[in-house]
Amino acid sequence: SAVISQKPSRDICQRGTSLTIQCQVDSQVTMMFWYRQQPGQSLTLIATANQGSEATYESGFVIDKFPISRPNLTFSTLTVSNLSPEDSSIYLCSVGRTDRETQYFGPGTRLLVL
Amino acid sequence: AQKVTQAQTEISVVEKEDVTLDCVYETRDTTYYLFWYKQPPSGELVFLIRRNSFDEQNEISGRYSWNFQKSTSSFNFTITASQVVDSAVYFCALIMAQTGANNLFFGTGTRLTVIP
Repeated sequence: SAVISQKPSRDICQRGTSLTIQCQVDSQVTMMFWYRQQPGQSLTLIATANQGSEATYESGFVIDKFPISRPNLTFSTLTVSNLSPEDSSIYLCSVGRTDRETQYFGPGTRLLVL
Repeated sequence: AQKVTQAQTEISVVEKEDVTLDCVYETRDTTYYLFWYKQPPSGELVFLIRRNSFDEQNEISGRYSWNFQKSTSSFNFTITASQVVDSAVYFCALIMAQTGANNLFFGTGTRLTVIP
């Protein structure tokens, strides 16, 4: 499986600010995804990060709130904009080598919004 | 509609006991993939197993075993001789090959506590 790193591992942010999370993979992967895990909850897919084109967002998630970049096959960023306390969650990136293959997850970024 | 149900919210066992975590799924797709992930207190999600809908063979890996039964739409996970390091939240998840793209639908998780 690929080695996946995320930065930052955790952060505390003020309401109204933004946080950009980086996901780096040690090898080229076709699929990259961003998930959110709210406190005590399961994981929900935010979007699929597409290389060279706009991300594909799931219902309930919009680009203005969660802009995503994927400049190449090993790197992606997720920005959580205009933060509110409800955005306090763990954000995880995952990767898959091919379509519908096993997804491996990064260590996650714990965000607390005050 | 797709759904993954993990009815057991929390389970506590004493070390060395066996424990089974239940997972029941719903999908209209005839081709799908089932997964189990482990999330220890550190927060990372660790992949444990993947099963496709055409492979109903049970699998054993060390102290872990999985029982996949299409007739009851279940994919249960058993830990034999549990250890304290097994304490974690365990998630069952589903990808539907025909309609679900790459969306991993997760159950709500089962928190396992192994008491020394």
